[in-house]
Amino acid sequence: KNQVEQSPQSLIILEGKNCTLQCNYTVSPFSNLRWYKQDTGRGPVSLTIMTFSENTKSNGRYTATLDADTKQSSLHITASQLSDSASYICVVRTGGSYIPTFGRGTSLIVHP
Amino acid sequence: GAGVSQSPRYKVAKRGQDVALRCDPISGHVSLFWYQQALGQGPEFLTYFQNEAQLDKSGLPSDRFFAERPEGSVSTLKIQRTQQEDSAVYLCASSGTGGEAYGYTFGSGTRLTVV
Repeated sequence: KNQVEQSPQSLIILEGKNCTLQCNYTVSPFSNLRWYKQDTGRGPVSLTIMTFSENTKSNGRYTATLDADTKQSSLHITASQLSDSASYICVVRTGGSYIPTFGRGTSLIVHP
Repeated sequence: GAGVSQSPRYKVAKRGQDVALRCDPISGHVSLFWYQQALGQGPEFLTYFQNEAQLDKSGLPSDRFFAERPEGSVSTLKIQRTQQEDSAVYLCASSGTGGEAYGYTFGSGTRLTVV
């Protein structure tokens, strides 16, 4: 069964600090992996998309990494801001399927 | 419109009541998905449309759930005889001809509370 596991479940950090969120998946065959940011009361918004051949992709203060061998991805947030408080969801798509597998998300709270 | 629009934003229904949730996707988007998101969980797939054709409804939890997209644009998710376990946020997402590979755009969701 395709699964996406995220850790930690929740995280509290101080404004200005860095943090890293983890995503492990068992999806096969792998097509792509996305990280989404979901603000409270809003729909998820895509931050990055990575395919099999990509190891790192950045979007401003967000940097995603992918290790296709170990089936792990991370999302690193640099110099956190209060507006980074949200749920971050890892989503993996299999080849030949239009239905991706969603992780449960990591809830990030940034305190001033 | 510029984004995916869902209405209503909030719906409170008495148990046993029927509800209809509307999704207005980005103009021209071929693919449309419905997801159910329980509190503190990731979205769970419900159903998928390509234009007006419902290609996959394997995620619908029971025969009380019904979705349609008769003209290939606006979609409606209907839940009959609502139960408390139906309480969740219902998200709609659409994408263009490239499918998910080119990225979903999600709506803000409809939060359904069954009392």
